[in-house]
Amino acid sequence: ETGVTQSPTHLIKTRGQQVTLRCSSQSGHNTVSWYQQALGQGPQFIFQYYREEENGRGNFPPRFSGLQFPNYSSELNVNALELDDSALYLCASSLNRGQNSPLHFGNGTRLTVT
Amino acid sequence: AQSVTQPDIHITVSEGASLELRCNYSYGATPYLFWYVQSPGQGLQLLLKYFSGDTLVQGIKGFEAEFKRSQSSFNLRKPSVHWSDAAEYFCAVADGDSNYQLIWGAGTKLIIKP
Repeated sequence: ETGVTQSPTHLIKTRGQQVTLRCSSQSGHNTVSWYQQALGQGPQFIFQYYREEENGRGNFPPRFSGLQFPNYSSELNVNALELDDSALYLCASSLNRGQNSPLHFGNGTRLTVT
Repeated sequence: AQSVTQPDIHITVSEGASLELRCNYSYGATPYLFWYVQSPGQGLQLLLKYFSGDTLVQGIKGFEAEFKRSQSSFNLRKPSVHWSDAAEYFCAVADGDSNYQLIWGAGTKLIIKP
């Protein structure tokens, strides 16, 4: 059973640039959630995708966008990067979108914006 | 809105000693509660979850947690810690107003003294 994989592991971007982060979900999982974890804090929910449709969104501006593909892998895109976007971005997949479906996390992508 | 409080930013425990990490939540109904662990450079791994039923839940790696509705708490315990338990521990509650996100505490860093 392949777990959740994220790429790249680390990334350095300049303010104003755009970035795409990728996530492959665990086999059999149809739901992907993205979280932002700033240093010293707990994760903050960005959005969730279920069967290629956005299923919910947290308090993040529209410059954070996403996609889910037919194989349930997913991308997170961030436009017009700001210094405060520096964080660990975590992808999690789950069997289903319900609250009782535990999240399986990847190791994250560490984004640094300078 | 739901919230999760982990009052201890770090806790230091001697190897072999018992451990209790505190978690308090605010939510009107019976919550779905989770404990996750994050080792350095890693994603989050689910330790245990509570949905309903027996208020004492067993998890992986010898951890357990007890749901106490009267205290709005879901504290994590382990009878005897090992050096490999050094990590950051996060408590989370499922957002009762949606079916898609977890609300997370800020985490407690566990330090093990030899």
